[in-house]
Amino acid sequence: ETGVTQSPTHLIKTRGQQVTLRCSSQSGHNTVSWYQQALGQGPQFIFQYYREEENGRGNFPPRFSGLQFPNYSSELNVNALELDDSALYLCASSLVFGQYNYGYTFGSGTRLTVV
Amino acid sequence: DAKTTQPPSMDCAEGRAANLPCNHSTISGNEYVYWYRQIHSQGPQYIIHGLKNNETNEMASLIITEDRKSSTLILPHATLRDTAVYYCIVSDTGTASKLTFGTGTRLQVTL
Repeated sequence: ETGVTQSPTHLIKTRGQQVTLRCSSQSGHNTVSWYQQALGQGPQFIFQYYREEENGRGNFPPRFSGLQFPNYSSELNVNALELDDSALYLCASSLVFGQYNYGYTFGSGTRLTVV
Repeated sequence: DAKTTQPPSMDCAEGRAANLPCNHSTISGNEYVYWYRQIHSQGPQYIIHGLKNNETNEMASLIITEDRKSSTLILPHATLRDTAVYYCIVSDTGTASKLTFGTGTRLQVTL
C-alpha cells in the first residue's frame, strides 16, 4: 500500500503571491487533513475534508482554502502569502467508516518559504 | 480537545528503556491517548494509541493510569534511530476528529 505523498517538497514564493500544495492520500483512505508546522512548533490543524467537503477547520483565515477530489487527493491553496506563512505544510489521510476515524498517516510535507 | 503536558526534553542511553510521561488531566471519557513521533524533517509517525487499557505493539508500550489523567510511552530498547520529538495527543475518534499537537518531548538517544 502506498503512503501519503505530497508535492512539491520545497517551494519559494514571494509575499502576496498564491500557492497550491498537493497531496495524494494513502490507498483506502477517504479523509484528508492539512497541518501547518512553524519552525520549532508542533503541527497546527488547518482543516479537514471528508466526502469532498470541509469537515472541520482550525484558527486559520479564509485565504487558506482547500479541495478534496473524488479520488480523495487534495489541494491546499493559500492566497496573498505573508512572511509568517513560511512553514512545513503536512497532509494527513485517514479512513473514516461509520462514525469512526481509524487514525492518521502523514506525508513528509512541503516546505514553503515566503520571501 | 483536552490539553497535554510533556517535558520538553529527555535523554536516554542506547539499549535502555525510554519512558516518556504525559499528563492529560482534562481528558474526557470518549477521548483516546495517541502518541506520534517526528524525526527531523519528516512527517509525524503514528506509534500507538489507547483508551484505558495498557497497549503494546511492535514499536512501544502505552501505560495509562487508572484515572486516565496521565500516561507513559515506553520504548523498551531505545536506539539512535529513536531520537525524535514525541507528541502525546488526546483526541476522539469521530468523523471530524483532529490532532492537537503541543510542543512534545525531544528525546535524545546517546551511545
